[in-house]
Amino acid sequence: QKEVEQNSGPLSVPEGAIASLNCTYSDRVSQSFFWYRQYSGKSPELIMSIYSNGDKEDGRFTAQLNKASQYVSLLIRDSQPSDSATYLCAVTSGTYKYIFGTGTRLKVLA
Amino acid sequence: EAGVAQSPRYKIIEKRQSVAFWCNPISGHATLYWYQQILGQGPKLLIQFQNNGVVDDSQLPKDRFSAERLKGVDSTLKIQPAKLEDSAVYLCASSSYPGWTGGLNTGELFFGEGSRLTVL
Repeated sequence: QKEVEQNSGPLSVPEGAIASLNCTYSDRVSQSFFWYRQYSGKSPELIMSIYSNGDKEDGRFTAQLNKASQYVSLLIRDSQPSDSATYLCAVTSGTYKYIFGTGTRLKVLA
Repeated sequence: EAGVAQSPRYKIIEKRQSVAFWCNPISGHATLYWYQQILGQGPKLLIQFQNNGVVDDSQLPKDRFSAERLKGVDSTLKIQPAKLEDSAVYLCASSSYPGWTGGLNTGELFFGEGSRLTVL
């Protein structure tokens, strides 16, 4: 079983719609959760972090965490073509070790 | 604040040759990581240093890969001999040490631009 799982996509949404990206993890003691965005040919950049159950909002982005279900998600409201990228879920558990999922490719259609 | 520096950006070699990548983390960052990212996949951790000590190298193919971080600052990742399947982007990242708040790792991971390796 992979430690961090994501649907590879592509996930296609029309401009202005809500994009929903999902991630599940296997290590129950995982404590910190991150969403990174990676444009083609570029390095990942952090867009959201979440540490406790519930929702965390930052502008158009909302991260949701459910530790009981070992599930974390990212919602992007009012999706723009510039949001087209691969979104990587990363998890840490008690150390500085960041484990990444395979990423979900998002395409926002103008 | 200067970011994570990596070199070279691109390298093309033939199989069985050797290659070395260099990384200089953000000043003051104690933790340094090397990731391998194959096209279409997520970053895979190869090795993690804290200062000049190895924290995790469980996924480093030690028969051909080696890494060092002398003096706890910059780091070098070497591949010898290279195989076709080593073609990937090698990402270096660093994180600040006091990234813990209330027992949670809140340290952000900062990535360099990566070194793209093509093995022919």
